[in-house]
Amino acid sequence: SSELTQDPTVSVALGQTVRITCQGDSLRNYYASWYQQKPGQAPILVIYDKNNRPSGIPDRFSGSSSGNTASLTISGAQAEDEADYYCNSRDSSGHDAVFGGGTQLTVL
Amino acid sequence: QVQLQESGPGLVKPSETLSLTCAVSGYPMSSGYHWGWVRQPPGKVLEWIGSVHHSGTTYYNPPLKSRVTISVDTSKNQFSLNLRSVTASDTALYYCVRDASTGPLVVFDIWGEGTMVTVSS
Repeated sequence: SSELTQDPTVSVALGQTVRITCQGDSLRNYYASWYQQKPGQAPILVIYDKNNRPSGIPDRFSGSSSGNTASLTISGAQAEDEADYYCNSRDSSGHDAVFGGGTQLTVL
Repeated sequence: QVQLQESGPGLVKPSETLSLTCAVSGYPMSSGYHWGWVRQPPGKVLEWIGSVHHSGTTYYNPPLKSRVTISVDTSKNQFSLNLRSVTASDTALYYCVRDASTGPLVVFDIWGEGTMVTVSS
């Protein structure tokens, strides 16, 4: 089992705001990154560090963190945002990378 | 822009060694960064395998450490994965990544398209 816990499924109405969370003790000390993966495609980075977006990622994607929980927020979800989302950080030892179990986002 | 491309056999027999190479274009590996491998078994989640610094220093996921070697060849601008003694549980989509992790941050900012490797006799 992963040291980072995500809800397996989340749904959001088109145009509404959705928050996807990632919980783990290591998040008290380390930042989370977030990846979007659509079926048959490689993951792409959408948020890293405290709240940074790579070039080309829409500004409706944002990140935040509090205590042992990191969050990815999509403000005004679009149909093309339907995908699996994975969080990623260091494990509790601080040495190694670990991924969350992923959240399947459905846009209704 | 920076692009990564995996290559290698799509079928490996049990107990043998899985070998993959990742060609990097658009960025000279000798300039910096770590370079790594992530895998995803069918229908399952992502798993970091390990990373190599351009200097050759390596970091491996502990459960795989005894079977993994990742190496870098800056003259060819590529890096490689060897996974020994494979079993069916090593069947997965293997991605090469640019590992931009630093300090408290883990981030894989560029991904290859992935290559499927099946372990079967």
